[in-house]
Amino acid sequence: GQQLNQSPQSMFIQEGEDVSMNCTSSSIFNTWLWYKQDPGEGPVLLIALYKAGELTSNGRLTAQFGITRKDSFLNISASIPSDVGIYFCAGQTPNFGNEKLTFGTGTRLTIIP
Amino acid sequence: NAGVTQTPKFRVLKTGQSMTLLCAQDMNHEYMYWYRQDPGMGLRLIHYSVGEGTTAKGEVPDGYNVSRLKKQNFLLGLESAAPSQTSVYFCASSYLANEQFFGPGTRLTVL
Repeated sequence: GQQLNQSPQSMFIQEGEDVSMNCTSSSIFNTWLWYKQDPGEGPVLLIALYKAGELTSNGRLTAQFGITRKDSFLNISASIPSDVGIYFCAGQTPNFGNEKLTFGTGTRLTIIP
Repeated sequence: NAGVTQTPKFRVLKTGQSMTLLCAQDMNHEYMYWYRQDPGMGLRLIHYSVGEGTTAKGEVPDGYNVSRLKKQNFLLGLESAAPSQTSVYFCASSYLANEQFFGPGTRLTVL
């Protein structure tokens, strides 16, 4: 099945640093979603984007729906220890009757003490 | 409001045994999904449902069956478990087939 290209696969940063990650697809999407998964838990929805060029924030998190509709970006400012986890992007193609999301393989964020 | 709940949280099976995983949601969502998550593979869709009484195959349906007899419940069955089905299973639900809300997962080991 189709998977999104999510990068980087992993990040090692120090507390207080800003973080950037992105997802790219060969297909056009009409919805981009960003999830965070803590160890031993299910993914939690962080931000949903529905319009090309849209920029949406959720606290220290900011996500953008790329103009080409084939990419999306997530930024985390001033990282803190609770930001540790795996971040997934997900997209939905604008096909009639499409009820499924395509997920990226995740970006694992680790904060170095 | 419990959201999406999954039962059981952990399970160990022997090869050939059967079991049913239960997913329940109290958000009146039409759409429900079953995923498996394996290291390095991300989330892969097993089966999904667009409403009560309906089911459809996802990306990796072989070896699994599902039923959606009630809107709030989505059952995932393994008729004859295999070691390749060792994984973490997540259920999700959504109102409009986009923003999916996930349960806490079931960790299944098949020996």
